Amino acid sequence: ETGVTQSPTHLIKTRGQQVTLRCSSQSGHNTVSWYQQALGQGPQFIFQYYREEENGRGNFPPRFSGLQFPNYSSELNVNALELDDSALYLCASRLGSNYGYTFGSGTRLTVV
Amino acid sequence: DQQVKQNSPSLSVQEGRISILNCDYTNSMFDYFLWYKKYPAEGPTFLISISSIKDKNEDGRFTVFLNKSAKHLSLHIVPSQPGDSAVYFCAASARKETSGSRLTFGEGTQLTVNP
Repeated sequence: ETGVTQSPTHLIKTRGQQVTLRCSSQSGHNTVSWYQQALGQGPQFIFQYYREEENGRGNFPPRFSGLQFPNYSSELNVNALELDDSALYLCASRLGSNYGYTFGSGTRLTVV
Repeated sequence: DQQVKQNSPSLSVQEGRISILNCDYTNSMFDYFLWYKKYPAEGPTFLISISSIKDKNEDGRFTVFLNKSAKHLSLHIVPSQPGDSAVYFCAASARKETSGSRLTFGEGTQLTVNP
């Protein structure tokens, strides 16, 4: 069991740029969710993927998109970065509906 | 619309005493509740959960109480230890919904346990 690994740990981007954040889940974890945690706030649900299909989305604009791959890795892509996108981005995965989520340590994104 | 609310941003207790962290929710569809603990530079780690069919769940030093009529839950830690110092998040889900596994988090409470 290797846990949930996110990369990079920190990232600085310029407003208007695009960014890709990566997550490597444990083998067999076919459900992955992404959360955004702004400073002083709780994590906010962005979207969820199950077997490579998006099956749930929070209140985030379409410039937030994702992919899930057969090898249990996933990506969060954000286009046209805004200053308010600065946050900790968390990936969480689980084995199935009867199991809890395991969170990664997150990627700290700063948009300047 | 903050559906899960933790009204106390911080709590300080003495080692050995009880820590009580509170959480309120507004969405009647929530039927599963969880507490996560988060240390700096780490992701949230699961602590304890409770289904809406129960009013109490206990795991060692940690007990979660659920009052459905008041839409309120609390986490009790007895006895508190300095290693318990962390940010505690309350989270809820509505498992009957299509994306029933999505978690709605509160803002978190910073617990500090003083030696």
